[in-house]
Amino acid sequence: QKEVEQDPGPLSVPEGAIVSLNCTYSNSAFQYFMWYRQYSRKGPELLMYTYSSGNKEDGRFTAQVDKSSKYISLFIRDSQPSDSATYLCAVQSSFAGGTSYGKLTFGQGTILTVHP
Amino acid sequence: GAVVSQHPSRVICKSGTSVKIECRSLDFQATTMFWYRQFPKQSLMLMATSNEGSKATYEQGVEKDKFLINHASLTLSTLTVTSAHPEDSSFYICSASTRRGRSDTQYFGPGTRLTVL
Repeated sequence: QKEVEQDPGPLSVPEGAIVSLNCTYSNSAFQYFMWYRQYSRKGPELLMYTYSSGNKEDGRFTAQVDKSSKYISLFIRDSQPSDSATYLCAVQSSFAGGTSYGKLTFGQGTILTVHP
Repeated sequence: GAVVSQHPSRVICKSGTSVKIECRSLDFQATTMFWYRQFPKQSLMLMATSNEGSKATYEQGVEKDKFLINHASLTLSTLTVTSAHPEDSSFYICSASTRRGRSDTQYFGPGTRLTVL
């Protein structure tokens, strides 16, 4: 079993739709959760960063974490063609001073296309 | 803030040559820098982690003599692909991490596309 599971899609939605992207993880040691957006042939861009269960909102993006079920989600409201990209979830264990270097474990990435 | 640059963005080289890729954190000092490799339509694969002034820690299966990492300062790390071969052709991405609360947040560079002929 992979440490982080993410449906690779592809996911295609019409402009204006609400998009739901999801990941599950297996290790309760993961305490920090990120969502990255990656455009084709570019490096990933940090979208959202959370460390507790619940919702965190930033503009049209909402990150949701449910630690009890080890489930993380990213919602995109009023999706735009410019949102078309690959979305990667990432998890990180608790920082433990000099013994931890903040290693990220990534999901496979979901390819999203928003068509006009 | 939190901008990471990579140079070059694209490189084409002949088999057997060595290629150096630079990664710089432009507006912050990075506690740690990471090097990833990404194949088409796949996720990022961590190759190694480096801290300034110490030897890099390589992930299982990554040849340290093949992929040389030098971390000269808190803002610069380099990856040298030695004696490159066509199978080394890939997208190489670095990231630099900075402390954010109690965790380290990674910011990624734009990537370097290496093509070995």
